[in-house]
Amino acid sequence: DGGITQSPKYLFRKEGQNVTLSCEQNLNHDAMYWYRQDPGQGLRLIYYSQIVNDFQKGDIAEGYSVSREKKESFPLTVTSAQKNPTAFYLCASSRDSYQETQYFGPGTRLLVL
Amino acid sequence: AQSVTQLDSQVPVFEEAPVELRCNYSSSVSVYLFWYVQYPNQGLQLLLKYLSGSTLVKGINGFEAEFNKSQTSFHLRKPSVHISDTAEYFCAVSGLSETSGSRLTFGEGTQLTVNP
Repeated sequence: DGGITQSPKYLFRKEGQNVTLSCEQNLNHDAMYWYRQDPGQGLRLIYYSQIVNDFQKGDIAEGYSVSREKKESFPLTVTSAQKNPTAFYLCASSRDSYQETQYFGPGTRLLVL
Repeated sequence: AQSVTQLDSQVPVFEEAPVELRCNYSSSVSVYLFWYVQYPNQGLQLLLKYLSGSTLVKGINGFEAEFNKSQTSFHLRKPSVHISDTAEYFCAVSGLSETSGSRLTFGEGTQLTVNP
């Protein structure tokens, strides 16, 4: 089955720790996205990538980093600089152009210990 | 810049009643409009989208939406809801800009609760 997978489903972070969220797609999509979801705030764009080896900051990139070394993979690292990382993180992909539908993964919930 | 306003954060209705979830947008460029549904602790699933053509768009699960350019609205409707429609619904707008390339901007969501 084609789709987007995210792992882990739940992730716990200790103070001062960097953690990496995985996102993989087998849809052969060029574009991939990371969103953060907080209650009552909808989805906010963290980073997006329109092609391999290229990515752009979204609205709330501070404290996060990404890489896009392979077309199918777009991992997100939540660094220790992100002071309020507790949220639901969603990865999405789309074929290419801006009118294309974005397909979402099941999400990763990050909690701080 | 583009923005989306979902006018109701919570909409409670009884089963088999009609429902309308309201969405207004603003954008300086031509837009494409989407409605997504999210069930608890899951990702988002596309309900329907407007790209061009007929302003009445039909989607999955019996939902439809009407694009109104003069009122900059894209309201979602269903004539008769089921318990299983209980979920959060997001309106989103996509537009191309010189600075941000292609991207979706989401509203804050409307929680639809269908009661028996």
